[in-house]
Order: sequence, then structure tokens, then C-alpha cells
Amino acid sequence: SQKIEQNSEALNIQEGKTATLTCNYTNYSPAYLQWYRQDPGRGPVFLLLIRENEKEKRKERLKVTFDTTLKQSLFHITASQPADSATYLCALSPYGGATNKLIFGTGTLLAVQP
Amino acid sequence: DSGVTQTPKHLITATGQRVTLRCSPRSGDLSVYWYQQSLDQGLQFLIQYYNGEERAKGNILERFSAQQFPDLHSELNLSSLELGDSALYFCASSGGDGVNQPQHFGDGTRLSIL
Repeated sequence: SQKIEQNSEALNIQEGKTATLTCNYTNYSPAYLQWYRQDPGRGPVFLLLIRENEKEKRKERLKVTFDTTLKQSLFHITASQPADSATYLCALSPYGGATNKLIFGTGTLLAVQP
Repeated sequence: DSGVTQTPKHLITATGQRVTLRCSPRSGDLSVYWYQQSLDQGLQFLIQYYNGEERAKGNILERFSAQQFPDLHSELNLSSLELGDSALYFCASSGGDGVNQPQHFGDGTRLSIL
């Protein structure tokens, strides 16, 4: 069956450290993968999009990698801050770009301790 | 602020009733998406409209329907409501037909069925 799996448990880290979140998928061949942040009671907020021919993408303290052989994306937040505490969702479009229907993972709750 | 507006923010109704959720996309965005988020199912894609036409469909129940109007706003109609329909319903929009584009989410409508 088709699945997108993220760190199932909450991730607790100390302020200033690097947070690394994983997203693994099976039975999909996505043309691109996206990461979103969601705060309680709010809609997801787009962070980064990485295409299948891109190995790595950066934006300020954020970095995403995409390994289509391993079927895995890693999301890094460097120099983490308490304000980074939120749920992070990975999402992919399952039909190789023919539609932008997004399939979301279950999310990873990140807690950054001061 | 994502630029996507959803109304109402909260809706409380009874089983068997019908409700309409409304979404105004970001200015200039032609694609509108509807998602359902519940605690046990996560964020699930329901349907996409592009410039007034249905573009993609997810596991949307037959009791649910949507449309996109000439001014690009969209409505999601839920009928014969059941307790299990209680959830957060999000609308998102993106530019063009959405392929390879990030999605911008509203803050959702929280639907509670009593």
C-alpha cells in the first residue's frame, strides 16, 4: 500500500541544536515533495519544495534533502529556537506532477526547549 | 496571513443536517483545494478545482460536494451529516493549475456535529 511515514513520536531538542525530521514514503514516485509547518488551530504554512532532480534545498535555517532511491526526505532546522516548536508535515504529489493533489504524512511534533 | 479566507471559523450542528463552508483563495490563484483534518486520519485531500472545473478528487464522500464559482471562490457542501464528519476543514489555493506550486492554506472551519 502507499504510505508516507514521519517520526511517529514527538521530537524534543535543546535550543541552539539542529533538529532533523524524517519523511519516508513507499509506492510513490513523486516529482516533488513539500514541507509545511502547522501550529495548533491554524492551517499548514508552506516552507520548502524540493524537486526529484534536486538533492538539497536551503532557506535561511532550513534545509531539505530528497533521496528518491531511499524514498526519503530529511528536514533540518539549524540553531533551533523555541519559536520553531510546531508540527511539521511532509507532503507529496503522487502522480509525478500530473496533478497537485497532495498526500500528507501524519506530521512530527517538534518541541524546542529553552 | 496566507491570503486565503475561510468562513465560518466554527460551525456546530446536528446529525442529518447540511452545511456550506466557504473559501476565498489568494488573489490571482486559480486552483482551490479542500482538505479534511481529523485526529485519527490526519490531513486528507478531498477535491481540487482549477478555474471553475474539477481537476482532482480524493476520498470525498458522496454526501460531500464542492464547486468553484466564476469569481474563483469555492464552497464545500456537506449533507446528511454524521458524528464522524466532525473535523477541521481546510481550503488551500495555488497559482496556475497548481503543479509544482506550494499551497497556501486558510485557518480552517472547525465543524462539530452533536
